[in-house]
Amino acid sequence: DADVTQTPRNRITKTGKRIMLECSQTKGHDRMYWYRQDPGLGLRLIYYSFDVKDINKGEISDGYSVSRQAQAKFSLSLESAIPNQTALYFCATSDLGTGVARTGELFFGEGSRLTVL
Amino acid sequence: AQKVTQAQTEISVVEKEDVTLDCVYETRDTTYYLFWYKQPPSGELVFLIRRNSFDEQNEISGRYSWNFQKSTSSFNFTITASQVVDSAVYFCALSESGNTPLVFGKGTRLSVIA
Repeated sequence: DADVTQTPRNRITKTGKRIMLECSQTKGHDRMYWYRQDPGLGLRLIYYSFDVKDINKGEISDGYSVSRQAQAKFSLSLESAIPNQTALYFCATSDLGTGVARTGELFFGEGSRLTVL
Repeated sequence: AQKVTQAQTEISVVEKEDVTLDCVYETRDTTYYLFWYKQPPSGELVFLIRRNSFDEQNEISGRYSWNFQKSTSSFNFTITASQVVDSAVYFCALSESGNTPLVFGKGTRLSVIA
């Protein structure tokens, strides 16, 4: 089983619908992230959480919200989806970036492809 | 603010050619971390390397090598004797202090033609 699991993997929805993308991890990491990938734009940070009580906006948080239900779970919601939110969404986890054997490397889920019609 | 620029949008090479992917970064921190990730056509993101700002030694891993130069704020990635399986999108990324979320470049799509 994957260390970082995203559901659903693919979703087609209509404008105005509420959508939730879920992420769970078995890495034991405190830090979790949501990134969005659009062709030619790379990966852009939507929200991140350094622990269960910590939520931070990223570069492109407008139109999105998140919930950190537990150390292992981090959900991304689109309250009212619009077509320009069509993208590939990645959840990721990491350990701390400093200290012996701590790399700060991001461990990604397999991605959730969302299409908003 | 931190920024990563990958000026090469797409590169196409013939198999067995060497290819270098450029990465230029901007940061005000003296402590930072640089990363390269690979995204093959299947879509997953694969970690390749992490380098901290205090270690300017070049690194080689098989056909892959990385050239880190603080003087030019660059962290370039070279694939020697490229293979079709190297075809992918490659992302360079930066984390200030190793304690902030990674900021990614826009990626370079590499196509290796047989």
